[in-house]
Amino acid sequence: QKEVEQDPGPLSVPEGAIVSLNCTYSNSAFQYFMWYRQYSRKGPELLMYTYSSGNKEDGRFTAQVDKSSKYISLFIRDSQPSDSATYLCAMGNTGGFKTIFGAGTRLFVKA
Amino acid sequence: DGGITQSPKYLFRKEGQNVTLSCEQNLNHDAMYWYRQDPGQGLRLIYYSQIVNDFQKGDIAEGYSVSREKKESFPLTVTSAQKNPTAFYLCASISRDRGSEAFFGQGTRLTVV
Repeated sequence: QKEVEQDPGPLSVPEGAIVSLNCTYSNSAFQYFMWYRQYSRKGPELLMYTYSSGNKEDGRFTAQVDKSSKYISLFIRDSQPSDSATYLCAMGNTGGFKTIFGAGTRLFVKA
Repeated sequence: DGGITQSPKYLFRKEGQNVTLSCEQNLNHDAMYWYRQDPGQGLRLIYYSQIVNDFQKGDIAEGYSVSREKKESFPLTVTSAQKNPTAFYLCASISRDRGSEAFFGQGTRLTVV
């Protein structure tokens, strides 16, 4: 079993739709949860960073962490064509240097 | 500006050649990583280093080698033993102060010709 599972997609939605991206994980020691956005042929950039369970909102983006279910989500409201990218979930724990990445979900937002 | 610099952006390798990809960071991070990304695939860990003069194999280390002589630098050599080296290579460093946050370079696209 992989430590992190993420559906690779692709996911295609119309402009303005609400997008839901998800990851599940198996290691209960993870405490830090991140979402990265990667445009084609570029390095991933940090989009959202959360610690432990709960929600975090930043503009059109909301990250949710449910540690009891080992499940994290990223919601994108009012999606735009510029949101078309690959979204990778990532997680790590205190004192550890190793961050584990999901496979990434390719998102296409159609104008 | 602090960050991670990878060079070159594009690299072409002939069959049987070794090539070295550069990765430099000025973020003062202890840990550095190399990942390989194939089209439509996620990140696969090649090697990582948590401290100078020490490094560990990742999931797909065969055909690759690294060195960590300085905190700022973590070069990756793709050797002739790597049979399918065409891929996008990403270098990252991780901040201990910000619990596992990874900072990435812009990547090197390696193509075998």
